[in-house]
Amino acid sequence: DAKTTQPPSMDCAEGRAANLPCNHSTISGNEYVYWYRQIHSQGPQYIIHGLKNNETNEMASLIITEDRKSSTLILPHATLRDTAVYYCIVRSDPRALNFGKGTSLLVTP
Amino acid sequence: DTGVSQDPRHKITKRGQNVTFRCDPISEHNRLYWYRQTLGQGPEFLTYFQNEAQLEKSRLLSDRFSAERPKGSFSTLEIQRTEQGDSAMYLCASSLVSGGPPDTQYFGPGTRLTVL
Repeated sequence: DAKTTQPPSMDCAEGRAANLPCNHSTISGNEYVYWYRQIHSQGPQYIIHGLKNNETNEMASLIITEDRKSSTLILPHATLRDTAVYYCIVRSDPRALNFGKGTSLLVTP
Repeated sequence: DTGVSQDPRHKITKRGQNVTFRCDPISEHNRLYWYRQTLGQGPEFLTYFQNEAQLEKSRLLSDRFSAERPKGSFSTLEIQRTEQGDSAMYLCASSLVSGGPPDTQYFGPGTRLTVL
């Protein structure tokens, strides 16, 4: 699976959009981009995934660049409960997830 | 709630003791994964099962670790002769593999192990 690069930390004001970037310049054509988050002391929570097209669900939107070398997870109206570590994972094989260190997002009042 | 459940949620043991953790996956999920997470790090893969067959084991899974999924439903992870370095959060995830895109894994709350 391709490697990902994420900023170690980000801040966002409550009510504003949180835009979390991920670089995956070595992604292959059959690899999907997955996003998970982990709130302190809880298990990781699935957010969204995509291959080429932008995706949206009730939690977030995923924007993948046309060359697929990077993506952005958007939380449209961040709340304090969105404070968590966010993991961007590139994956093709239905086996393990390679989590890396992720981005620690702090949503402030 | 029909999510992944793990038991116990917390376990404190003395060095050298054996411990066993249980994971109940989401009903009908055919794949089950175990991960380990130490402080400040992301989860690391240990092993996974497709139904009752254990298909892959990480190099992290030393000989003191054993996992089973006897009937293709719940799974157990046993650690023998625990060491202080085994202190971590042990996470279980399950998924439904149906031959399409990579499966989406859903995680349980984890079992936090502390070895004294």
